[in-house]
Amino acid sequence: DQQVKQNSPSLSVQEGRISILNCDYTNSMFDYFLWYKKYPAEGPTFLISISSIKDKNEDGRFTVFLNKSAKHLSLHIVPSQPGDSAVYFCAASAVVNVGYGKLTFGQGTILTVHP
Amino acid sequence: NAGVTQTPKFQVLKTGQSMTLQCAQDMNHEYMSWYRQDPGMGLRLIHYSVGAGITDQGEVPNGYNVSRSTTEDFPLRLLSAAPSQTSVYFCASRAEVWGNQPQHFGDGTRLSIL
Repeated sequence: DQQVKQNSPSLSVQEGRISILNCDYTNSMFDYFLWYKKYPAEGPTFLISISSIKDKNEDGRFTVFLNKSAKHLSLHIVPSQPGDSAVYFCAASAVVNVGYGKLTFGQGTILTVHP
Repeated sequence: NAGVTQTPKFQVLKTGQSMTLQCAQDMNHEYMSWYRQDPGMGLRLIHYSVGAGITDQGEVPNGYNVSRSTTEDFPLRLLSAAPSQTSVYFCASRAEVWGNQPQHFGDGTRLSIL
């Protein structure tokens, strides 16, 4: 039973345009969400997070939106750059999960940004 | 500043062999964990530790043992490797047990079981 789902295995975007990556979750206990970026042969790197008390968090070119009623979050990258090409993982946790220590990950979305 | 260091980077084992995957962090982090990544399934939690001497099971613990004798090290042991354990293994750490700091991941160990 996949509690966190990224239904798009891949996304292709032109440089300078917006990239939108989506994530859905089913567990109502989740109240903290993260996005990780992963390059080949490297470990995941933390990108941005959002608490359930917010509906938007912004960090430079990256913005995460949370819609709690729909159990949906999205990551917007504007403008997209070729260096953003990577696998993006959505992850969720809850305070009852060892104080947000236990993460549940989605399957990942491969983003390709074309020059 | 090494962060989270995993060794080896690659390993091939035969079914039934034993192996220890090493993980060390130099950030004095309390919380450490092991995940495995399989195609189409994202990362899944194997075991975690909230401090030296304290470990617990994650989502997919069967076939794996862990121990945490020091704050820095958190090795993962496969006692009798099986082909189903072919995967990429990631170790992660974060500063405190409680709170929403992000986890820092190592670069992974790619393990193949023949």
